[in-house]
Amino acid sequence: SQQGEEDPQALSIQEGENATMNCSYKTSINNLQWYRQNSGRGLVHLILIRSNEREKHSGRLRVTLDTSKKSSSLLITASRAADTASYFCATDTGRRALTFGSGTRLQVQP
Amino acid sequence: DGGITQSPKYLFRKEGQNVTLSCEQNLNHDAMYWYRQDPGQGLRLIYYSQIVNDFQKGDIAEGYSVSREKKESFPLTVTSAQKNPTAFYLCASSIEESGFYSGNTIYFGEGSWLTVV
Repeated sequence: SQQGEEDPQALSIQEGENATMNCSYKTSINNLQWYRQNSGRGLVHLILIRSNEREKHSGRLRVTLDTSKKSSSLLITASRAADTASYFCATDTGRRALTFGSGTRLQVQP
Repeated sequence: DGGITQSPKYLFRKEGQNVTLSCEQNLNHDAMYWYRQDPGQGLRLIYYSQIVNDFQKGDIAEGYSVSREKKESFPLTVTSAQKNPTAFYLCASSIEESGFYSGNTIYFGEGSWLTVV
């Protein structure tokens, strides 16, 4: 079963705009991670936020975590065409293997 | 270069045939994983292994088998019992740490496409 569900499923924006995608999950977590996948490639880790953290930044990425609502958001600021990819949240519940959501497909138009 | 190597990139399976996907890592990671991804979908866990000679079933283990005889290798066999094997298969690894703040970041290979013909 999917622990995380991303919203929206697909997002199309213009270069320079901000992109926001959300992730909801069902059970308590140790941490939540975001990954990026270019078409037909493996996933690449972007950022990790622990359950006792509320916000984290890395370059143009900003991640928030609300454990009371069991939700997280990923904001990409000043998007570029090269940001076009699928983005997945993954939750660490202590099962020893991350559980991934269904992903948000982001298209950044030049 | 350090990383995870999956082979082959593309594989075709005939009905009733077993096929094996290779996964090798030189990151000295203890834990390894196999995920399946269907087009436009998320990842589903097939099997994972925390140490050599030990592995656990994931959410969709039926029709698959694995072995972990060496730390750096975690091959996946797709058996004839898997009725719908056409998918993208991703191997991954991570440093296995203990404790609440382990924060296992997973490193992925480039994936293998399996198609039934």
